[in-house]
Amino acid sequence: EIVLTQSPATLSLSPGERATLSCRASQSVSSYLAWYQQKPGQAPRLLIYDASNRATGIPARFSGSGSGTDFTLTISSLEPEDFAVYYCQQRSNWPPGWTFGQGTKVEIK
Amino acid sequence: EVQLVESGGGVVQPGGSLRLSCAASGFTFDDYAMHWVRQAPGKGLEWVSLISGDGGSTYYADSVKGRFTISRDNSKNSLYLQMNSLRTEDTALYYCAKAPKGATGGNYFDYWGQGTLVTVSS
Repeated sequence: EIVLTQSPATLSLSPGERATLSCRASQSVSSYLAWYQQKPGQAPRLLIYDASNRATGIPARFSGSGSGTDFTLTISSLEPEDFAVYYCQQRSNWPPGWTFGQGTKVEIK
Repeated sequence: EVQLVESGGGVVQPGGSLRLSCAASGFTFDDYAMHWVRQAPGKGLEWVSLISGDGGSTYYADSVKGRFTISRDNSKNSLYLQMNSLRTEDTALYYCAKAPKGATGGNYFDYWGQGTLVTVSS
């Protein structure tokens, strides 16, 4: 089973600052990595799929990069509504399975 | 607009059963695989199960295999999760999630419902 490890666990930043979140896979997942944002009391929302493609309606300040085992989610300039928990996620082809990282909380400094 | 609305959660004793439902709208339901994903209180996300668009293929996480059954009724645009032999560790918010087109079950989850809470407690 592929394990996804996110770092840091918590990121304390101020609005306007740049956020860089990391997700490392225990073995290559090619480019099949997605990122989600979850705010308290809300369902996760897809931000990035296939490592670098923004989902519908996602602002350009969110970007994803990486391939193989190392991936990054970057928020270029934090808006107040961006403070949330972020999860990365990958799929395994056989047996089919989908796993998530443990999450990174982006909090207001 | 894609909408997914879960229902059926509640409080159940260990060993009991519960059936969750997810009503889908805003897309051609039988064209897409669907998933259940859960989140224990204060914890991360865990994939539970997948069903293909025609209902012919199903997959489960090891943690629920043999206890949970996923199904769908495409005539009613509805997804289900029958949960038997429930354990305290099954306590979670259960989300239904839509897969994009592509490889079996898709590589990610493009739309999520708001979830329904299942509490397993004596």
